[in-house]
Amino acid sequence: NAGVTQTPKFRVLKTGQSMTLLCAQDMNHEYMYWYRQDPGMGLRLIHYSVGEGTTAKGEVPDGYNVSRLKKQNFLLGLESAAPSQTSVYFCASSYSEETQYFGPGTRLLVL
Amino acid sequence: AQSVTQPDIHITVSEGASLELRCNYSYGATPYLFWYVQSPGQGLQLLLKYFSGDTLVQGIKGFEAEFKRSQSSFNLRKPSVHWSDAAEYFCAVSLRGGYNKLIFGAGTRLAVHP
Repeated sequence: NAGVTQTPKFRVLKTGQSMTLLCAQDMNHEYMYWYRQDPGMGLRLIHYSVGEGTTAKGEVPDGYNVSRLKKQNFLLGLESAAPSQTSVYFCASSYSEETQYFGPGTRLLVL
Repeated sequence: AQSVTQPDIHITVSEGASLELRCNYSYGATPYLFWYVQSPGQGLQLLLKYFSGDTLVQGIKGFEAEFKRSQSSFNLRKPSVHWSDAAEYFCAVSLRGGYNKLIFGAGTRLAVHP
């Protein structure tokens, strides 16, 4: 039981490049989330999903897209990376309104 | 607007001393309340949570927190801090019926002196 895993762990992008971050969970959770963590700001919700095939915007969705084609996977895409998207990205999952379990994070640097 | 405030950005305590980390929230109704801990370079681990019932909740690693409705607070406490408790601590809330979306405070970084 791996819990929540994230791929990759670290990535460097140039401005304008695109990439996809993968989140996978093996706990059969319905709800999945993407957060970004910036110094002094805690974690902020980017997008979330309450079930396979559904997605919704969170607090800071601009510049990101997501997809939930399979229940266990939640993808976060950056179509045209900007330096302001340099951050640590965390994925989480939960059963309904229960505890969220977090992945180890992906550190992204946009030059 | 809904918000979570952790007034202390950094706290330093001596090993063995007691600890209290403050958290205040601004919500129209009582939300679900959480404390998470993050060690350097790691993800977040849940310490404890409050959904309803007894306002003093016990968590892992010897931590406890008390929900005070009148003060809109959910302060985290530990009677005797260990060096391994050095980490960043986040208070978070979610709105009941709100798809469990978490709103985090900015965090409190705890340093422990030997």
